[in-house]
Amino acid sequence: SAVISQKPSRDICQRGTSLTIQCQVDSQVTMMFWYRQQPGQSLTLIATANQGSEATYESGFVIDKFPISRPNLTFSTLTVSNMSPEDSSIYLCSVESSTDTQYFGPGTRLTVL
Amino acid sequence: AQKITQTQPGMFVQEKEAVTLDCTYDTSDQSYGLFWYKQPSSGEMIFLIYQGSYDEQNATEGRYSLNFQKARKSANLVISASQLGDSAMYFCAMRELTGKLIFGQGTTLQVKP
Repeated sequence: SAVISQKPSRDICQRGTSLTIQCQVDSQVTMMFWYRQQPGQSLTLIATANQGSEATYESGFVIDKFPISRPNLTFSTLTVSNMSPEDSSIYLCSVESSTDTQYFGPGTRLTVL
Repeated sequence: AQKITQTQPGMFVQEKEAVTLDCTYDTSDQSYGLFWYKQPSSGEMIFLIYQGSYDEQNATEGRYSLNFQKARKSANLVISASQLGDSAMYFCAMRELTGKLIFGQGTTLQVKP
């Protein structure tokens, strides 16, 4: 299984500011994903981070609000821009192994005041 | 539309007993994957078990087994010999052809001593 780290693990931010979350994997992977889990809810895919091309966003998520970078096969960032209290969530990155199994990072717990 | 349904918001089980968590799915794809994840209060998503749609044998991983009934479109998780550390939220998820995971609403499991 892949070893995935995320930074920061948690943060408290003021509305109107932006936060960039980093996701690092210990091996090269083709597919990386970013999910959001709002309080008391299930996980929802924000976007698929593609190396060397634009991220693919799900319905309801836009690049201006959640810009994503994928500079190489082991790293990705998700930025939550112009934050509001509704953005308070756990943000998780995941990677897919060669056997189609998806493993998740430890998550970033974001609180927006 | 692809959908995962977990009908049990909360479950209780006595320590050392077995418990079954229900999951049904809906898809028109011929090829798909089914996952179970455990989410403790820390928020991380821990991979438990995976079943491919073409796998003839039910998947097993230690105390976890997946009761896969393709005709009924169900993929129930069985935890044998429950331990206090099994208390957590459990999510069933389905992998689409794009790699995206669709999650159910989750089941909270509490193990009683």
